[in-house]
Amino acid sequence: QLQLQESGPGLVKPSETLSLTCTVSGGSISSSSYYWGWIRQPPGKGLEWIGSIYYSGSTYYNPSLKSRVTISVDTSKNQFSLKLSSVTAADTAVYYCARVWPHFTDKEFGYYFDYWGQGTLVTVSS
Amino acid sequence: DIQMTQSPSSVSASVGDRVTITCRASQGISSWLAWYQQKPGKAPKLLIYAASSLQSGVPSRFSGSGSGTDFTLTISSLQPEDFATYYCQQANSFLFTFGPGTKVDIK
Repeated sequence: QLQLQESGPGLVKPSETLSLTCTVSGGSISSSSYYWGWIRQPPGKGLEWIGSIYYSGSTYYNPSLKSRVTISVDTSKNQFSLKLSSVTAADTAVYYCARVWPHFTDKEFGYYFDYWGQGTLVTVSS
Repeated sequence: DIQMTQSPSSVSASVGDRVTITCRASQGISSWLAWYQQKPGKAPKLLIYAASSLQSGVPSRFSGSGSGTDFTLTISSLQPEDFATYYCQQANSFLFTFGPGTKVDIK
């Protein structure tokens, strides 16, 4: 059974960089069949896609966060990571990592988040 | 960006009720739509993909329909474990967006 687990500091100071790692177990992050992604959810609010990565290192970012986001992959450790720079209180959220499953319909792929980590709350505060 | 809206924002229902939630995309997304269920303090769970396909292990009382810009999630007979918040997600490309959510609570 595939499992994903987020790890990293729960408290980050304003203007600093938020860093999280997602460790994948029960499957290989190097599988050519899947992508991997980060999603966040501010307290009491909805879901926001941050970005995604393929095992080869190809990345895709939400345009609204692109200037501050870096997602990387370490296939040797079966992990992928998120860095979000210049954080403010607005970046306080539960951060989830997830597997992105491409499914072919209507002549193109749709991409679905089929496995999720439990989430980790990151608070931005001095 | 493709914007997603949902209605209603919340619905109060009783066990056994039929519940329908609507999701609308700001432009056509064919059938590239997912539905997720989220319970308090938990990660979202994929229920429906490709607008109408039931994810493995999800009870058959959940169903999805629609294409283009208008989609629906239906729970045919609400069970106690179904009280949760439901989100739609457009899945067309790597510019994923979610709807604002619909909270289903106990009447």
